[in-house]
Amino acid sequence: QKEVEQDPGPLSVPEGAIVSLNCTYSNSAFQYFMWYRQYSRKGPELLMYTYSSGNKEDGRFTAQVDKSSKYISLFIRDSQPSDSATYLCAMSAINRLAFGKGNQVVVIP
Amino acid sequence: DGGITQSPKYLFRKEGQNVTLSCEQNLNHDAMYWYRQDPGQGLRLIYYSQIVNDFQKGDIAEGYSVSREKKESFPLTVTSAQKNPTAFYLCASSRGANTEAFFGQGTRLTVV
Repeated sequence: QKEVEQDPGPLSVPEGAIVSLNCTYSNSAFQYFMWYRQYSRKGPELLMYTYSSGNKEDGRFTAQVDKSSKYISLFIRDSQPSDSATYLCAMSAINRLAFGKGNQVVVIP
Repeated sequence: DGGITQSPKYLFRKEGQNVTLSCEQNLNHDAMYWYRQDPGQGLRLIYYSQIVNDFQKGDIAEGYSVSREKKESFPLTVTSAQKNPTAFYLCASSRGANTEAFFGQGTRLTVV
């Protein structure tokens, strides 16, 4: 089983829809959870981070962590064409920072 | 502005040559990382350093070398021993373990 699993399949949604992304992980030592947005040929940009189970909201973005199920999610409300990018989940523990493969999201106007 | 600067943005190398990628940060972060990104493979860790003058191998360190002589700088050398060096290289830094990491804009290395 891979340390971090993120289904890389491209996701196409119409403008205004809710985008739902998720990752699972196997290492219970992970304590810090992050989501990054990466535009083509650019470095990843930190979107959200959290270290506790539950929901964290920031504008149109909500990060959800369920440590008991080893499952994290990112929701994007009222999606815009500018949200079209690759989204990577990441999680960290002492001496370890691991990433999912990334989800390509396309928001169609 | 605080941030991480990678240079150059694009780099071309002939087979058999060593090449060094630069990474500088002014965030006063202790930890720095080098990742390689290939299509469909996500980010793979090459080397990381938690403190000056100390670094550890990541998952794919073969054919690469690093140094960490200053807190702000973590250069990566891609040696001729690296069999498939063409890739997008990303440098990141964080305050330490269990904190968020920030990335540079990457260097695209092409072997010609």
